[in-house]
Amino acid sequence: KAGVTQTPRYLIKTRGQQVTLSCSPISGHRSVSWYQQTPGQGLQFLFEYFSETQRNKGNFPGRFSGRQFSNSRSEMNVSTLELGDSALYLCASSTGQGASANYGYTFGSGTRLTVV
Amino acid sequence: GEDVEQSLFLSVREGDSSVINCTYTDSSSTYLYWYKQEPGAGLQLLTYIFSNMDMKQDQRLTVLLNKKDKHLSLRIADTQTGDSAIYFCAESIWSASKIIFGSGTRLSIRP
Repeated sequence: KAGVTQTPRYLIKTRGQQVTLSCSPISGHRSVSWYQQTPGQGLQFLFEYFSETQRNKGNFPGRFSGRQFSNSRSEMNVSTLELGDSALYLCASSTGQGASANYGYTFGSGTRLTVV
Repeated sequence: GEDVEQSLFLSVREGDSSVINCTYTDSSSTYLYWYKQEPGAGLQLLTYIFSNMDMKQDQRLTVLLNKKDKHLSLRIADTQTGDSAIYFCAESIWSASKIIFGSGTRLSIRP
């Protein structure tokens, strides 16, 4: 069973640009969650999508957005990049329903975004 | 509110037991988790415990849950150099459909 795949692994962007990150969940998983990981703030929840609908959202500005496609693949977009957006962006998938949804996420290896 | 706290660093001698502690605030937590993150990698689920359990053992790992004090611990027996990593405690809240993570404890192993 293939794991959670995130692309690209590394990205360097300039302030003011926008970026799109991709996440392909484990086959059969319908929930995709996104987290930002930085040394100072730790793991911060961005949002969660289930069946193409945003089900939950963290405390991030509107520059951070996401979507989920019918095949459960998800993308997140950051517009007008700032230096502080440099981070490891992690995607995690789960079944999203029932008690098994709470048996933890399966994480991808992340996309390391550097804004210069 | 939702908050998970853990100490930032732990250093143990190879072969000793490691105990990583965590406290959480939300009494409606349904599952509590321990994740491991090695350098350059994502998070790997090590083990989880349902909130109505007190203890769970899985090979070298023992999880203890004190629900009254909202305290969770992870004990790693016979710690090896391969156990060097950051360990995250996390709680899930059913109604919120999200998992809240602690700041992570960096475990280093001394020879």
